[in-house]
Amino acid sequence: LAKTTQPISMDSYEGQEVNITCSHNNIATNDYITWYQQFPSQGPRFIIQGYKTKVTNEVASLFIPADRKSSTLSLPRVSLSDTAVYYCLVGERYSTLTFGKGTMLLVSP
Amino acid sequence: DVKVTQSSRYLVKRTGEKVFLECVQDMDHENMFWYRQDPGLGLRLIYFSYDVKMKEKGDIPEGYSVSREKKERFSLILESASTNQTSMYLCASTAQGTTEAFFGQGTRLTVV
Repeated sequence: LAKTTQPISMDSYEGQEVNITCSHNNIATNDYITWYQQFPSQGPRFIIQGYKTKVTNEVASLFIPADRKSSTLSLPRVSLSDTAVYYCLVGERYSTLTFGKGTMLLVSP
Repeated sequence: DVKVTQSSRYLVKRTGEKVFLECVQDMDHENMFWYRQDPGLGLRLIYFSYDVKMKEKGDIPEGYSVSREKKERFSLILESASTNQTSMYLCASTAQGTTEAFFGQGTRLTVV
């Protein structure tokens, strides 16, 4: 399983765009990149998944460069309710889900 | 609304007790997982199952066992609870060939 590295924490203000970058230098050909969000005392929630280039849904965008050695989760115009831990996972769709320690995003007024 | 349900939200058990944590999913998913989450350590995989009666060890299986007799139910068993098993336990499921997991609400277990 490819190892991922992401910042331990990030701070932002309401209304700003937040970009969280994840490094995964040894990503394999069959690996997908998946992001989860976790609020306190709740289980993680799937946000977005991609293989290459850009993926967008109603919650976020995921940017993946051509070499796929990193990815960036972009949250447009964050609000206080986006305060959470964000996890980047890399692996085959048939593999287990290995979570790292994630990035704690704190959004302030 | 898809759902993964864990039998208890909070549980307090004594050292040495046998503890059962139950998880049920209603999405006909093939894969089910048990994690524990501790401050500063993130989510760590205990066991997972990719089919009925099939199980695989995760990263920290010591002191735990699992049972999957029916597709929708995955049980985590603490054979003899110890204080270092005090933690938040999370169950999840995925369909075959996907990484979109659905998690239960978690069980906060305290072993005294």
